[in-house]
Formats: sequence, C-alpha cells, structure tokens
Amino acid sequence: GQQVMQIPQYQHVQEGEDFTTYCNSSTTLSNIQWYKQRPGGHPVFLIQLVKSGEVKKQKRLTFQFGEAKKNSSLHITATQTTDVGTYFCAGPENTDKLIFGTGTRLQVFP
Amino acid sequence: NAGVTQTPKFQVLKTGQSMTLQCAQDMNHEYMSWYRQDPGMGLRLIHYSVGAGITDQGEVPNGYNVSRSTTEDFPLRLLSAAPSQTSVYFCASSSRTGGGEKLFFGSGTQLSVL
Repeated sequence: GQQVMQIPQYQHVQEGEDFTTYCNSSTTLSNIQWYKQRPGGHPVFLIQLVKSGEVKKQKRLTFQFGEAKKNSSLHITATQTTDVGTYFCAGPENTDKLIFGTGTRLQVFP
Repeated sequence: NAGVTQTPKFQVLKTGQSMTLQCAQDMNHEYMSWYRQDPGMGLRLIHYSVGAGITDQGEVPNGYNVSRSTTEDFPLRLLSAAPSQTSVYFCASSSRTGGGEKLFFGSGTQLSVL
C-alpha cells in the first residue's frame, strides 16, 4: 500500500528560528493535506494542496506541493512557542482512504 | 457545536476483555473513520465508512470490528483486547469521501491493555 514518510521525526528549535518538515509519498497524490496536533490534543486540519508546484501561505507557515505531486513541505518562519506540536501530512490512497505520514514533532524553546 | 464526540476518554482493559469505543458526529457527514496513534508511527487507518451500512478495512484492521447503522454513529469494537492494542484512538469524519475532504477529529480515547 501507499506509504507516506516525514522527516525529521523530531526537531527542537530556539524561538525565532525557522523550521521545515518534509513529506514524501511512495505514489503520486491527487492532493495533500497538512494537520497540526498540539500536545495532548487531536489533529486539526491546516490546509490542502491540489496543484502541481502549488505554494500556499498562512501567516508564518508556507506549504509547498512538489512538481511530481509526490512530496510536500511545511516551512515555519520565526517559530513561536505556540507552534509547538506534531505536524502531519496526509495523502489519499484512493478516494476513500487518507493515509497519514509519520509526523514531525516540533519543540520550541523560549 | 459538538462536532465529533468520542467516549470514553480513558480506558484500561485486561487482556482478553472486550469493549466498544463510541464515536458520534452531528455534522451530517457521510464519511467516518477510525485511526490509532502510536509513537513514531503516525496515524494509521483502522476502518472507515462512506455511509450508513457501508464499512471497509484500512491499514490495520485486525482485531477490530465496526458497524455503521446510522449516519451519526460509528462504534469501534475490540472483541478480545491484546496489549498490542494499547494506543490512542481517534475517530474522524468528513463531508464526502475520505481522500479529498478535510477530516474533523474527535478528542481521542487513550486505551491501555494490561
């Protein structure tokens, strides 16, 4: 079946530093979604990318979808303590199954 | 707005016991699913349903049963719990198919099997 890997698995940064997580799928994706899970919480939808090469921004967060639609990245500029959590990418295996990546846990030190 | 409601929040079972994790949504979503979350493994799909009366297997279905008798409810049954089923379980729903629409998650059930 489809596999979705993320790197790094864990990263800690000083507040104000940038952070990037990368997502790679074993198959071409029709779309990719990103979720954030705060410690002790549940995943919350952030964004969906559909087009090859698409770039979307949400304040300090920049999301990219690769040209081949097999990889994606999330970049956070000038991290804040509120960015702490685990970030997941997810891609559909078919119309009914959303397969999640392994996640990147971000820790921000003040 | 309640969204997706899961009960219980915490549960401890002994090996071999059975139990049902409850999930209900009030958004009239057709699609519902169950994931388990383990450290370093991300979220893995157990079972999903595209509508009342229709269920199918996900990535890790063994040891779990589901049914979907109504649009609102999607319970997950463990018939004979095993320590390997110790995990955090999340129920999620979306308005249409699971692959193209964003998922709304419940707050989770932390299950320990001794």
